[in-house]
Amino acid sequence: EAGVTQFPSHSVIEKGQTVTLRCDPISGHDNLYWYRRVMGKEIKFLLHFVKESKQDESGMPNNRFLAERTGGTYSTLKVQPAELEDSGVYFCASSPLKGGGTDTQYFGPGTRLTVL
Amino acid sequence: GEDVEQSLFLSVREGDSSVINCTYTDSSSTYLYWYKQEPGAGLQLLTYIFSNMDMKQDQRLTVLLNKKDKHLSLRIADTQTGDSAIYFCAETHTGRRALTFGSGTRLQVQP
Repeated sequence: EAGVTQFPSHSVIEKGQTVTLRCDPISGHDNLYWYRRVMGKEIKFLLHFVKESKQDESGMPNNRFLAERTGGTYSTLKVQPAELEDSGVYFCASSPLKGGGTDTQYFGPGTRLTVL
Repeated sequence: GEDVEQSLFLSVREGDSSVINCTYTDSSSTYLYWYKQEPGAGLQLLTYIFSNMDMKQDQRLTVLLNKKDKHLSLRIADTQTGDSAIYFCAETHTGRRALTFGSGTRLQVQP
């Protein structure tokens, strides 16, 4: 079974440009999460999709970030326009959980974004 | 608010035991997790513990939870060079699936 995949693995852009990150979750996983780790600090939650719906977007930093999950499969995270403080590693995770109990989230390798 | 804290670095010799500590502030935490990140890889779930437990053992890993002090630890017995990685403590609580992570502890295992 393929794991969570993310594309690209690295992206270097200039301030003011636009970048789109993609995440392909494990097949059949309804839950998809975006997190990011900035400058070696803690990993912070951005948002959570259940299928194509945004369940929790409380971690999105501002309106320069737009996440979509059309069709409930892969997801994209667009940063427009990118700022220097957006540099970091963006992780995607997916999980199958539909009800209560522990929610094992499977993480992708991350996309390292550098904004110059 | 939620806060999870860890020490940044731990160095041990191969064959020794490693103990990585974590403290959290949210008393409504339901599940507490340990994730491992090797260089260039994603986060791998190592183990988790439910908040009504105080210990969980899984092969070389032992998780201890002191709910009163909001303290979580991960003990790795017979630490190997392959255990060198960053270890993240994380928690979730009822009604929220998002993980709250600590800043990670880098474990260096010296031969």
